Amino acid sequence: GENVEQHPSTLSVQEGDSAVIKCTYSDSASNYFPWYKQELGKRPQLIIDIRSNVGEKKDQRIAVTLNKTAKHFSLHITETQPEDSAVYFCAATSTSGTYKYIFGTGTRLKVLA
Amino acid sequence: EAQVTQNPRYLITVTGKKLTVTCSQNMNHEYMSWYRQDPGLGLRQIYYSMNVEVTDKGDVPEGYKVSRKEKRNFPLILESPSPNQTSLYFCASSPSPQETQYFGPGTRLLVL
Repeated sequence: GENVEQHPSTLSVQEGDSAVIKCTYSDSASNYFPWYKQELGKRPQLIIDIRSNVGEKKDQRIAVTLNKTAKHFSLHITETQPEDSAVYFCAATSTSGTYKYIFGTGTRLKVLA
Repeated sequence: EAQVTQNPRYLITVTGKKLTVTCSQNMNHEYMSWYRQDPGLGLRQIYYSMNVEVTDKGDVPEGYKVSRKEKRNFPLILESPSPNQTSLYFCASSPSPQETQYFGPGTRLLVL
């Protein structure tokens, strides 16, 4: 079945450095790729998303890139801050036949002050 | 205030005792989902609904039922809970599958 692999599972960076999280999806019909941030004890919240007709999207310190040929997409956080510490989930979904949401297994990001 | 609500927030039950977790949204969203979150496994979709009376299986539907009789409500039913259904459950809604999903606060379920 459809699958989304996410790496790494944990990531520690020094404050001010960049962090990159990568996801690979299996369903070639996937055309929407959101990223969610979940702080400890809280609900997931969308931070950025990208559609299959776009290769890159940026929002201040956060960017997402998509490589449809290789079927992978990445989250880039620049100038990391302690409040970026959280678990990040990627996801993939399509509008072809099924409307399932497939999430990755999550990346726990720790920003060290 | 636009929101997704879930009840109860915490539940301890015993094997085999039927339970329902309610989910309600006040944003007139078409798409609603249930997820379970387990350590190391991320968020896994149980069921989703595209609209009233339209529901479909997600990745882990076994042991769960849902219904969508009204647009705002999407209850999750465990007819005969088992210990392997101990988990953190989230309901979510969005205008469509390809727009921001808004999550409820979560329901922590323990099945003894």
